[in-house]
Amino acid sequence: QKEVEQNSGPLSVPEGAIASLNCTYSDRGSQSFFWYRQYSGKSPELIMFIYSNGDKEDGRFTAQLNKASQYVSLLIRDSQPSDSATYLCAVKRDKIIFGKGTRLHILP
Amino acid sequence: DTGVSQDPRHKITKRGQNVTFRCDPISEHNRLYWYRQTLGQGPEFLTYFQNEAQLEKSRLLSDRFSAERPKGSFSTLEIQRTEQGDSAMYLCASSSQGAGTDTQYFGPGTRLTVL
Repeated sequence: QKEVEQNSGPLSVPEGAIASLNCTYSDRGSQSFFWYRQYSGKSPELIMFIYSNGDKEDGRFTAQLNKASQYVSLLIRDSQPSDSATYLCAVKRDKIIFGKGTRLHILP
Repeated sequence: DTGVSQDPRHKITKRGQNVTFRCDPISEHNRLYWYRQTLGQGPEFLTYFQNEAQLEKSRLLSDRFSAERPKGSFSTLEIQRTEQGDSAMYLCASSSQGAGTDTQYFGPGTRLTVL
């Protein structure tokens, strides 16, 4: 079982709709969870982090964490074409482990 | 711009040559990380420093790779006798130990092409 799993996509979402990105992890001792956005040819850019069960909102982004199910998700409301990118889920216990990322394509 | 800088941004070299990359972290950050990323993959951990001490090194890192952070500020990553399989984006990130979640901020990366 891979440590951090994400669907590689591409996930196509109409402009203005909600994009839902999912991530599962294998280490129950994981403590912190991160979402990064990466445009093609660029480095990862932190969107937000979460470490408590439940939801955390920041503007159009909401991170959701369920430690019992070992599941973390990112919702993007009112999706814009500029949201088209690869979204990396990262999980930390002793060190940060990244998933392979989900490619998101917002359809104009 | 996160405040983490890397130099050079691009490097093309011939197989067998040595290359060195530099990373300057955010000034107040005491932790510095090196990752490697290839197409379609997430960043892969290579090594990290807390201040000047190298605390962990990936077992995937061959003895051709070495990293230093001599004064606890900038860091260098050297690859000796480069191979075509070393072609990748090399990313540096920094964080502050006292920030709780150890949130890492990435530099722009150095793209290495080995011919």
